[in-house]
Amino acid sequence: KQEVTQIPAALSVPEGENLVLNCSFTDSAIYNLQWFRQDPGKGLTSLLLIQSSQREQTSGRLNASLDKSSGRSTLYIAASQPGDSATYLCAVSPGTASKLTFGTGTRLQVTL
Amino acid sequence: EAGVAQSPRYKIIEKRQSVAFWCNPISGHATLYWYQQILGQGPKLLIQFQNNGVVDDSQLPKDRFSAERLKGVDSTLKIQPAKLEDSAVYLCASSLVATGVEQYFGPGTRLTVT
Repeated sequence: KQEVTQIPAALSVPEGENLVLNCSFTDSAIYNLQWFRQDPGKGLTSLLLIQSSQREQTSGRLNASLDKSSGRSTLYIAASQPGDSATYLCAVSPGTASKLTFGTGTRLQVTL
Repeated sequence: EAGVAQSPRYKIIEKRQSVAFWCNPISGHATLYWYQQILGQGPKLLIQFQNNGVVDDSQLPKDRFSAERLKGVDSTLKIQPAKLEDSAVYLCASSLVATGVEQYFGPGTRLTVT
């Protein structure tokens, strides 16, 4: 059974700092990995999708990497802003179906 | 492009009552998912449809939960009777095809069972 863990559970940083969020999964036979953002009371917004053949994806100040062999992914946020405050979730999909298994998330607060 | 629509946004019911949620996926998306997100946890898949057929309902508590997707478009999720532990956010998502493509999520329905 796939299990996804995210560390840390919560993080508070001052504005402007670069930060890394970690995601690990127990079964390396994944098809893709997706990072989401969830604002309080809102649904999930997809940030980055990494296919199994890829090692990383970038979008603006966000960079996500994937190392299937070690069962790890990181989400790097450069020059953090208060608007980045949200919960960040990673999710993995198995090789032949699109069901997503989610981690419990990292709650990020960026302070002024 | 319109996103995934869900209603209602909030619902409060007493235990043993019934409740239904509605989802309208992005136009043209063949695959539809219902997830349950309990406070402090990540979403958990309840059921996945491909067009109007069920692909995966292994984690759906079938004694009280039911879902249907008529004509391969809109979907409803029903709980009857509700229990306290059903208090959660119910998220609907859709994707173009079943594998390897991003899932797009609706705003969710927050259910409180008292």
